[in-house]
Amino acid sequence: GNSVTQMEGPVTLSEEAFLTINCTYTATGYPSLFWYVQYPGEGLQLLLKATKADDKGSNKGFEATYRKETTSFHLEKGSVQVSDSAVYFCALSDTGGFKTIFGAGTRLFVKA
Amino acid sequence: GAGVSQSPSNKVTEKGKDVELRCDPISGHTALYWYRQRLGQGLEFLIYFQGNSAPDKSGLPSDRFSAERTGESVSTLTIQRTQQEDSAVYLCASSLGGFGGSRYEQYFGPGTRLTVT
Repeated sequence: GNSVTQMEGPVTLSEEAFLTINCTYTATGYPSLFWYVQYPGEGLQLLLKATKADDKGSNKGFEATYRKETTSFHLEKGSVQVSDSAVYFCALSDTGGFKTIFGAGTRLFVKA
Repeated sequence: GAGVSQSPSNKVTEKGKDVELRCDPISGHTALYWYRQRLGQGLEFLIYFQGNSAPDKSGLPSDRFSAERTGESVSTLTIQRTQQEDSAVYLCASSLGGFGGSRYEQYFGPGTRLTVT
């Protein structure tokens, strides 16, 4: 079945450091890929998405490129801020329906 | 407009009792999802609805769990004979459904925190 694997956390960085959170997936067909974020005390919200191979999703300085050849969708940001501290979830949606599989989440701590 | 709402926000129940959790999706969203999030863990898919139909119930943990949706709107998740391992945050989300690149973008409610004592 479909699955999503993302790097274990927590990840601790200093402000302005470069961020990469790895995400790889297993799926049949051509799923849509997402990153969701959960800030402390808040609900989950969509951060960015990509719906086909080679698409790049971007939002709030974060980027991720849908790589079909490596089945990856790594999240990157060039310069993190303290306000980026949150839990980040990689997810895929089955193209045959709406079942969505989430990764286990990666907690990011950014120190001032 | 209004987002996804869930009620109650917190529920404490005794082991063996039944509970009902409610989700009001964003108006016009045809797809609705239920997830379970145990403390410190990721989201576990339970079930989704397209309209009032649930094509995939494979994520429901046991036959004590059931869900329904009426009028392509409100959904209830029912847990019968609750067990302590059912303690978790239950999240509901909705999406446009239909066709197009945005159909899978999910908007989440604040969740219901269920504690079984």
